[in-house]
Amino acid sequence: SQQGEEDPQALSIQEGENATMNCSYKTSINNLQWYRQNSGRGLVHLILIRSNEREKHSGRLRVTLDTSKKSSSLLITASRAADTASYFCATDGRDDKIIFGKGTRLHILP
Amino acid sequence: DAGITQSPRHKVTETGTPVTLRCHQTENHRYMYWYRQDPGHGLRLIHYSYGVKDTDKGEVSDGYSVSRSKTEDFLLTLESATSSQTSVYFCAISGGGSANYGYTFGSGTRLTVV
Repeated sequence: SQQGEEDPQALSIQEGENATMNCSYKTSINNLQWYRQNSGRGLVHLILIRSNEREKHSGRLRVTLDTSKKSSSLLITASRAADTASYFCATDGRDDKIIFGKGTRLHILP
Repeated sequence: DAGITQSPRHKVTETGTPVTLRCHQTENHRYMYWYRQDPGHGLRLIHYSYGVKDTDKGEVSDGYSVSRSKTEDFLLTLESATSSQTSVYFCAISGGGSANYGYTFGSGTRLTVV
């Protein structure tokens, strides 16, 4: 089954720096989504980008999608301590189901 | 999480006992999902529902059953709990098919089978 794979698995950066996470997938998609999960909590939907879109912004978040390379990136600018979380990409599959990757653990250092 | 609640939040049960987890939503969304989250595996779909009494299996459905008798409630039952079912279980809802809508997740149920 198609599945997004995030890279890197873990990332530590200094507060104020930008954080970039990548997602690669295997088969054609209609859209790709990014989610955040804080420790001990459920996932929170961040952004959805459709296959005919190349870039999308939401506040400090910037998502790009390159369908020719089957990859997406999530950029968080001017990181804050509160951005410490796991980030997941999810791709749409058949029968109205989406499939999640295993996530990138982001740690913002003070 | 607004509009979706899971109960219980934590549960410890013994091997071989039945367990039911409840997901309740107030958003009147058609689609509801049950996932389990385990280290090294990410989130894996157990069962989902696309309407009252309409359910289907996900990738890890063995040992689980679901029921949806009302739009707002989606129940996950472990008929005879095993230690391999120790996990964090998340319910999610969606207003439409996955192609165009994001999911809203509950806060999870941490289940320990001893």
